[in-house]
Amino acid sequence: DVKVTQSSRYLVKRTGEKVFLECVQDMDHENMFWYRQDPGLGLRLIYFSYDVKMKEKGDIPEGYSVSREKKERFSLILESASTNQTSMYLCASSTARVPDTQYFGPGTRLTVL
Amino acid sequence: SQQGEEDPQALSIQEGENATMNCSYKTSINNLQWYRQNSGRGLVHLILIRSNEREKHSGRLRVTLDTSKKSSSLLITASRAADTASYFCATDAEDNFNKFYFGSGTKLNVKP
Repeated sequence: DVKVTQSSRYLVKRTGEKVFLECVQDMDHENMFWYRQDPGLGLRLIYFSYDVKMKEKGDIPEGYSVSREKKERFSLILESASTNQTSMYLCASSTARVPDTQYFGPGTRLTVL
Repeated sequence: SQQGEEDPQALSIQEGENATMNCSYKTSINNLQWYRQNSGRGLVHLILIRSNEREKHSGRLRVTLDTSKKSSSLLITASRAADTASYFCATDAEDNFNKFYFGSGTKLNVKP
């Protein structure tokens, strides 16, 4: 069965902290995605990766960076967390086949105080 | 923005009734997908429809696509309380078919 896991369901951090959100998929998928979800704004793409060490900016990359050292793992990094980064963060993966569906993790609700 | 927009934002119906949600988008697409999200959870894929298809069925779900109007609809027939969730449409990007734009969703409440 397809599985995407995220390191934490809930996370509370302080302004200025460096935050790591981890995502792991066990499906050997080429593509991985990070979204943030805010009420009334839907899901907005932060970054995606189509291969190991490859990444592309999404619509709202400012304040974020990513790392993909292994195929199964995609990390989202908040270099210096700010209160406006309080949100639900969703990771997803898909194959390189076009079209393909995206498989989502359960989400991490991050609060920055 | 290339994002799809769902309509209505919220919908409340009785169990057994049909629920219809609409999605409009702005640019040409190759594929459109519908996803479901239970409260506070990740999204689950429901159905994909290609731009050369007009209608697709999956169980109690029926999706239509009208590329001339740049719109799609999701019909859930004989709804159940367990269908209570948010529903999102996602359209692919012109420059990258692996990249999808999601709308803000329709929140469906099915009352038992």
